[in-house]
Amino acid sequence: QVHLVQSGAEVKKPGASVKVSCKASGYAFSTYAIHWVRQAPGQSLEWMGWVIADDGRTGYSQKFEGRITITWDTSASTAYMDLSSLTSEDTAVFYCARGGIDLYYDLWGQGTLVTVSS
Amino acid sequence: EIVLTQSPGTLSLSPGERATLSCRASQSVGSSYLAWYQQKPGQAPRLFIYDASIRASGIPDRFSGSGSGTDFTLTISRLEPEDFAVYYCQQYGSSPCSFGQGTKLEIK
Repeated sequence: QVHLVQSGAEVKKPGASVKVSCKASGYAFSTYAIHWVRQAPGQSLEWMGWVIADDGRTGYSQKFEGRITITWDTSASTAYMDLSSLTSEDTAVFYCARGGIDLYYDLWGQGTLVTVSS
Repeated sequence: EIVLTQSPGTLSLSPGERATLSCRASQSVGSSYLAWYQQKPGQAPRLFIYDASIRASGIPDRFSGSGSGTDFTLTISRLEPEDFAVYYCQQYGSSPCSFGQGTKLEIK
């Protein structure tokens, strides 16, 4: 079966970093990108960036540029999203999703809640 | 960045009724690259429509999408109880992609 399975909830202090994982299975990874999308409580969806499984290329939203790193581990079939300099505004559910570079998302992970609190 | 404005913010209807959700873009969406997602509480979004009018796999035919340029519509011909949720539009014709603020479809 085709799945994206994310790591569990995290609680972080302001200024810290968080690394969320997204394990893919059941499809040909090289033909897709993995995107990361943030959803603050009660808010809409916000695209953060993508990684191409085939060659590791990345693209980031200007909003997060400089404090986000997205990687792909071929041996683990897993994408990682590392977000640094966390503030309370980063308290959100983070989703990974499958798509093309500039395309819709046809498969989503279950989401990872990150809470930033002192 | 293209800004998407969805209306109404909340739509109160009864099962069996017809729902019409609107998504308006601040500038033309290239190639009608617009998608609709459904999200239920505590769940990830689910793709319903892409390229403005193509139903994703497994989506019932009571859902239809239309539009081009700056005006897009999601229509649910006859509401079922499981259709009540939040719906988001997304444009991917211009980078970066962007999402609307959502329309909450609630039971009247």
